[in-house]
Amino acid sequence: AQSVTQPDIHITVSEGASLELRCNYSYGATPYLFWYVQSPGQGLQLLLKHFSGDTLVQGIKGFEAEFKRSQSSFNLRKPSVHWSDAAEYFCAVGDAGNMLTFGGGTRLMVKP
Amino acid sequence: EPEVTQTPSHQVTQMGQEVILRCVPISNHLYFYWYRQILGQKVEFLVSFYNNEISEKSEIFDDQFSVERPDGSNFTLKIRSTKLEDSAMYFCASSANGETQYFGPGTRLLVL
Repeated sequence: AQSVTQPDIHITVSEGASLELRCNYSYGATPYLFWYVQSPGQGLQLLLKHFSGDTLVQGIKGFEAEFKRSQSSFNLRKPSVHWSDAAEYFCAVGDAGNMLTFGGGTRLMVKP
Repeated sequence: EPEVTQTPSHQVTQMGQEVILRCVPISNHLYFYWYRQILGQKVEFLVSFYNNEISEKSEIFDDQFSVERPDGSNFTLKIRSTKLEDSAMYFCASSANGETQYFGPGTRLLVL
C-alpha cells in the first residue's frame, strides 16, 4: 500500500531564511509526486508535480522539489521564505487516474 | 484561470439527515474525485469517477455515500444519513487526464 510521511508537523523559519520540508513515500511503482499548499480556510493549491525525467522540478511561488529515488524522498525547498508562505504543506503520491495519498502535512510559520 | 468550485462553503446538519455537496469541476476535465479532511487529520481519498461511473473508492465510501454527475457540469456527493463522524472538510477535485488533480476550496460539513 502506498504511504507518505512528512516527519515535521510544525516548522518555524524567519522571513528571508531558506526552507526545506521533508517528504518520504512508499510506493510500488514509479509514483506521481505532488506538493500542495493550504492557506487557512482555503483549498489545496498545487505547488508542483513530478512524473518523470528531471529530478529537480520547479513550481509556483519560487518553490522547487528534488526527487531522490534511492531515498524515496521528494523534499520541498525555497531559498528565501516570505511571510505569505505561512500555510500548511502537503506532499502526495499517486498514479494516473487514481487516488492521491497524502502525508499528514507540515505547518509552516514564518517569523518576521 | 479555470477553477473547481464547491457549494456550499459551510453546511450544518442534524445527525441522520441527508446532505448533498456540490462541485463544478473545470469544464474540460474528465476525472472527478472527492476527498475529506477531518479536523487535524490527513486528507483522505473517498472516491474517483470517470466515464460516468465510479472507478475507485475507499473503505470510507460505504453505502451511505453516493456520487452523481447529474448534468454536464455538476458533480455531487450525497451522504444519505449523516453521522457525527462525517463532520469534516470535503474537497472535490478534477483532472483533465488523470494525472494532475485540481482541488476546490472545500465544503465544511458539521453534523450535530
